[in-house]
Amino acid sequence: EDKVVQSPLSLVVHEGDTVTLNCSYEVTNFRSLLWYKQEKKAPTFLFMLTSSGIEKKSGRLSSILDKKELFSILNITATQTGDSAVYLCAVGGAYNTDKLIFGTGTRLQVFP
Amino acid sequence: EPEVTQTPSHQVTQMGQEVILRCVPISNHLYFYWYRQILGQKVEFLVSFYNNEISEKSEIFDDQFSVERPDGSNFTLKIRSTKLEDSAMYFCASRDYYEQYFGPGTRLTVT
Repeated sequence: EDKVVQSPLSLVVHEGDTVTLNCSYEVTNFRSLLWYKQEKKAPTFLFMLTSSGIEKKSGRLSSILDKKELFSILNITATQTGDSAVYLCAVGGAYNTDKLIFGTGTRLQVFP
Repeated sequence: EPEVTQTPSHQVTQMGQEVILRCVPISNHLYFYWYRQILGQKVEFLVSFYNNEISEKSEIFDDQFSVERPDGSNFTLKIRSTKLEDSAMYFCASRDYYEQYFGPGTRLTVT
């Protein structure tokens, strides 16, 4: 059975800290791994990773994929209170449907 | 910036009633999806739709569920006879070639 596992489930940090969120997966027909940020409602897209070892970066956020060890990490440096959210990892499978299989998410709380 | 929209934002219905949730995907996207998220649980895939037909559906998507693209813009999810356990946030998503973009969701409450 396909599965995506995220850790930790919850994280509480102070502004300015750096955090690392983990995502491991066991999925047949792997095509891509995506990170989303979910604040109140809809998941908003952060990154899509398809190749091992290539870091994707957007401001203070970065992510990398290891297809041999079947995991990805999402780093957030110099955290701000606005980073508080649930971060979702999802894996996309076969091209023609590309349904996403989600992990349970990591709830990040950043305090001033 | 184009976005996926969904209506209504919140729907309350009685058990056994039919509901239709509506979505307007991003206009040049070709692949459409419905997901749901029961409170406190993970986002779960329901169905994918491409070229006017279902391309894949999950075990959750039984005979009580159906999807339709009645015109060139709307994408609907119908639940024929709602059950208490259908209470959840329902997300529509669409994609062109790569990443899926999600709508704001419809919170369905079945009483």
